[in-house]
Amino acid sequence: AQKVTQAQTEISVVEKEDVTLDCVYETRDTTYYLFWYKQPPSGELVFLIRRNSFDEQNEISGRYSWNFQKSTSSFNFTITASQVVDSAVYFCALSGPTGANNLFFGTGTRLTVIP
Amino acid sequence: SQTIHQWPATLVQPVGSPLSLECTVEGTSNPNLYWYRQAAGRGLQLLFYSVGIGQISSEVPQNLSASRPQDRQFILSSKKLLLSDSGFYLCAWSGTGGFGNQPQHFGDGTRLSIL
Repeated sequence: AQKVTQAQTEISVVEKEDVTLDCVYETRDTTYYLFWYKQPPSGELVFLIRRNSFDEQNEISGRYSWNFQKSTSSFNFTITASQVVDSAVYFCALSGPTGANNLFFGTGTRLTVIP
Repeated sequence: SQTIHQWPATLVQPVGSPLSLECTVEGTSNPNLYWYRQAAGRGLQLLFYSVGIGQISSEVPQNLSASRPQDRQFILSSKKLLLSDSGFYLCAWSGTGGFGNQPQHFGDGTRLSIL
């Protein structure tokens, strides 16, 4: 069965600190996709990144970086030099190779960046 | 570019009243469409998805229904709302060509309060 665990319910950091949001997943598929979404206070979900199971290269986009490790079934998200605008709920999600109903979200981590 | 519109943004309805939430997508053809519900402080629950006009799949038995009268229009309805229907409803679309690797793009959501 597919499952995504975001053990950190809430995290607070002071502005300019680095913060890592954890995501652990379970799947029996050999091909799968991992996503991160950001939900700011306004409510909409913003797509941040997609990784496929065959590409374990870490990715950096500005202050954001993602560490995908199949050995530990983790897809962690790090924000460097956090800013107040980073305050949001962040969701990790897992999708199998087929099926429109095959996207599973974690319960989210609420990040608060204190100025 | 593709855009997704969802309305209304906020809705307050009495128990037992009907519901109609509408979602439209622009800039793409034959998208996969989704309705999610997010209860307060919790993750996303997939309610319905559609791969084409008139094709609706339901994930959770409930008093809600969905319809897709046009290619880029997705409607969430209820004949009689329950208190438990309160929540944040999100519409999303994804491209075709495989479900798993297509990120879903979300609308701004509708906050539904049942009194």
